[in-house]
Amino acid sequence: DIQLTQSPSFLSASVGDRVTITCRASQGISRYLAWYQQKPGKAPKLLIYVASTLQIGVPSRFSGSGSGTEFTLTINSLQPEDFAIYLCQQLKTYPLTFGGGTKVEIK
Amino acid sequence: EVQLVESGGGLVQPGRSLRLSCEASGFIFDDYGMHWVRQTPEKGLEWVSGISSNSGNIVYADSVKGRFTISRDNAKNSLYLQMNSLRDEDTALYYCAKDAVLQQQLVPDAFDFWGQGTMVTVSS
Repeated sequence: DIQLTQSPSFLSASVGDRVTITCRASQGISRYLAWYQQKPGKAPKLLIYVASTLQIGVPSRFSGSGSGTEFTLTINSLQPEDFAIYLCQQLKTYPLTFGGGTKVEIK
Repeated sequence: EVQLVESGGGLVQPGRSLRLSCEASGFIFDDYGMHWVRQTPEKGLEWVSGISSNSGNIVYADSVKGRFTISRDNAKNSLYLQMNSLRDEDTALYYCAKDAVLQQQLVPDAFDFWGQGTMVTVSS
């Protein structure tokens, strides 16, 4: 199975900060990576797919990059509603797998 | 508006069975693959199973293979997960999720819509 390792697992940031989250795959997955945002008690919400394509309706302060084994999610100018858990998912090979998540909290 | 509504969760003893349902609306159900994903605080998100739009392709996680069966009824816009021989470690919140890609295969780019989840607790 392809393992996804996210770092950091936790970060504390302020409104307006730029935040970068990394997702590393245990083997190459081309660009078959998606990013999700999850808030307490809610289902994950798709932010980005195929590594860098922004889902319709997602603010442009979110961006993704990477290919192969290393990927990043960047949030420019963090907003109050962005404090949440962020998860990556690989869709290159079954079983599809998720990263352990990065919790973004208010400093 | 796309909606996915799961039901059928509950408390069940180890070794027993449970059938989850997911009723879909707001999109052409038989154009998209569908998946079940579960979540626990300890293990996080775990993909469980997927089924293509015409049921021609079905895949399972090793942890549920041989015990769980995914199916769909396109006439009823519904997805199902028959769970047999349940174990303590199957305790989780179960989500159904929609493939973002309109296709007959099961090669998703992402899951663009998720239900609210239904809780399954396996305990004696």
